[in-house]
Amino acid sequence: ETGVTQTPRHLVMGMTNKKSLKCEQHLGHNAMYWYKQSAKKPLELMFVYSLEERVENNSVPSRFSPECPNSSHLFLHLHTLQPEDSALYLCASSPRAGVTDTQYFGPGTRLTVL
Amino acid sequence: AQSVTQPDIHITVSEGASLELRCNYSYGATPYLFWYVQSPGQGLQLLLKYFSGDTLVQGIKGFEAEFKRSQSSFNLRKPSVHWSDAAEYFCAVGAVTGNQFYFGTGTSLTVIP
Repeated sequence: ETGVTQTPRHLVMGMTNKKSLKCEQHLGHNAMYWYKQSAKKPLELMFVYSLEERVENNSVPSRFSPECPNSSHLFLHLHTLQPEDSALYLCASSPRAGVTDTQYFGPGTRLTVL
Repeated sequence: AQSVTQPDIHITVSEGASLELRCNYSYGATPYLFWYVQSPGQGLQLLLKYFSGDTLVQGIKGFEAEFKRSQSSFNLRKPSVHWSDAAEYFCAVGAVTGNQFYFGTGTSLTVIP
């Protein structure tokens, strides 16, 4: 397995559904991140985890719920989403949390909310 | 407030021509600066980063960037573009306080033969 993997790659869900995005890193890193990438908008940092503890939460609506059971896995649980939540969700990892360590990104999950 | 501006939404260059992508930032302290590239269907890949020292930074794939504090700029350059360079390019500022990253909206590069 290479780098950072994300599943599923594409997801279509209704506003009342509950789904989860999964991220796995095979790099031995201690920090993991969720980003939201919307068209024509800057990439938004949503959550930062360091050694399975959340260290940053950037005012993300509660309908997004992250989970980091261990340093290799990161989930983003979704429920009662809105159409404006449709975006590419990117996961990343780095050796340590912080701006000086290089982040390695997964290919993303393309989410469409109907 | 911290912000990153990439003035060019889309740039088209001929293969073999030189390239410069612009990035301006607003940040109160010494910035940590990054350039990432995103190919279709893929995540972001780090091209280069600047933390301190020499203001001309060399990166992967033949790219370089120059930090100019007086202009609050960190422009990305490549002397000769290859067709495989067609992608989306993102500039970012890292803020030590709060472990935050601020990205620009990206510049889409098209390379014509």
